[in-house]
Amino acid sequence: DGGITQSPKYLFRKEGQNVTLSCEQNLNHDAMYWYRQDPGQGLRLIYYSQIVNDFQKGDIAEGYSVSREKKESFPLTVTSAQKNPTAFYLCASSAKRGTPISAFGSGTRLTVV
Amino acid sequence: GQQVMQIPQYQHVQEGEDFTTYCNSSTTLSNIQWYKQRPGGHPVFLIQLVKSGEVKKQKRLTFQFGEAKKNSSLHITATQTTDVGTYFCAGVNSGGGADGLTFGKGTHLIIQP
Repeated sequence: DGGITQSPKYLFRKEGQNVTLSCEQNLNHDAMYWYRQDPGQGLRLIYYSQIVNDFQKGDIAEGYSVSREKKESFPLTVTSAQKNPTAFYLCASSAKRGTPISAFGSGTRLTVV
Repeated sequence: GQQVMQIPQYQHVQEGEDFTTYCNSSTTLSNIQWYKQRPGGHPVFLIQLVKSGEVKKQKRLTFQFGEAKKNSSLHITATQTTDVGTYFCAGVNSGGGADGLTFGKGTHLIIQP
């Protein structure tokens, strides 16, 4: 079945370390997104990519980086510059820009220890 | 920037009662999307509304888009325990595309049997 695979489901990081969250989709979607969800909050956009080798900053990009070398993959790196990285991270995709987000991954819960 | 307000934040209902969540945008939207997130899960796309005054139904769920395209509502008739979760609206600004998607903070629906 088509969908988005995020890994790992849980991730623990020491302060000062960079970590990379994986996101893979087999839906042949052009657009992919990374959102952050904090308790009691909506989803906030970190980065998005409309096409391979292109990506744009979202509302809260500081302290994060991404790459889009393949259509299927959109990994997110949480760098040590991110002041409050503990959160639930969701990867999402849509067929193309302008169409609804129709798929979300199951999320990665990152905890800084 | 665009803001999407969603009320109420929490709603407790007895099973069988109706439930409504409201979404208001500070700007005119090109379309609005609704998502449901079960506890511990990821958001699932429910519907997209595009036209002014549009009303769509999915079984016991009724979605409305305001005439001015600045507000929307989701109404559930005769709630069931399977309806438990958080319902998010997400407004797309006139720039279009999910990169312009702004999520509300969600309404948590709690159902008492």
